[in-house]
Amino acid sequence: DAKTTQPNSMESNEEEPVHLPCNHSTISGTDYIHWYRQLPSQGPEYVIHGLTSNVNNRMASLAIAEDRKSSTLILHRATLRDAAVYYCILPSGNTGKLIFGQGTTLQVKP
Amino acid sequence: EPEVTQTPSHQVTQMGQEVILRCVPISNHLYFYWYRQILGQKVEFLVSFYNNEISEKSEIFDDQFSVERPDGSNFTLKIRSTKLEDSAMYFCASREARAGGFRNEQFFGPGTRLTVL
Repeated sequence: DAKTTQPNSMESNEEEPVHLPCNHSTISGTDYIHWYRQLPSQGPEYVIHGLTSNVNNRMASLAIAEDRKSSTLILHRATLRDAAVYYCILPSGNTGKLIFGQGTTLQVKP
Repeated sequence: EPEVTQTPSHQVTQMGQEVILRCVPISNHLYFYWYRQILGQKVEFLVSFYNNEISEKSEIFDDQFSVERPDGSNFTLKIRSTKLEDSAMYFCASREARAGGFRNEQFFGPGTRLTVL
């Protein structure tokens, strides 16, 4: 299973953009890059995913490096409700199981 | 919007008792998963289920655990003889089947908090 590396924590000010990095240097050509988040006392929640091209949805944007060895989750305007642990995961195995690391704990300051 | 539901939200049991945690995945999904999270620790994969059988399981998923899809809507996790260390949040997830790899997301339920006394 390809592994990912993320900073343990990051801080942001409310209403400012946040860039959450992830390294996945052992990624294979068919691995999708998924991002999930876990708000306090809740279950994991899907954020966004991509393969090669940058992706946008209503929650965030995903920028994928040309060599695919890293990616960045972009929250365009952080709100207090975005304070959570963010996980960068490459689904694996026969059924795309998710292996969670420690993730990045995002603090958003008012 | 469709969602994964889990019952009960909190289960308290005595050590050695059997518990069954229930999940209703999203109706057109074909892949089902159980994960757990011990308080203060990371989310851990337990098992995945597809086509009415276990596809993958982790080292945690030993003989004390079993999963079943008893009908067209429910997906259950049974722990035969609970131990203190089974106390955790248990999350069910489901995923639609699409061709061409893991291009689609898993949807998680709100979890069942299991407390073993």
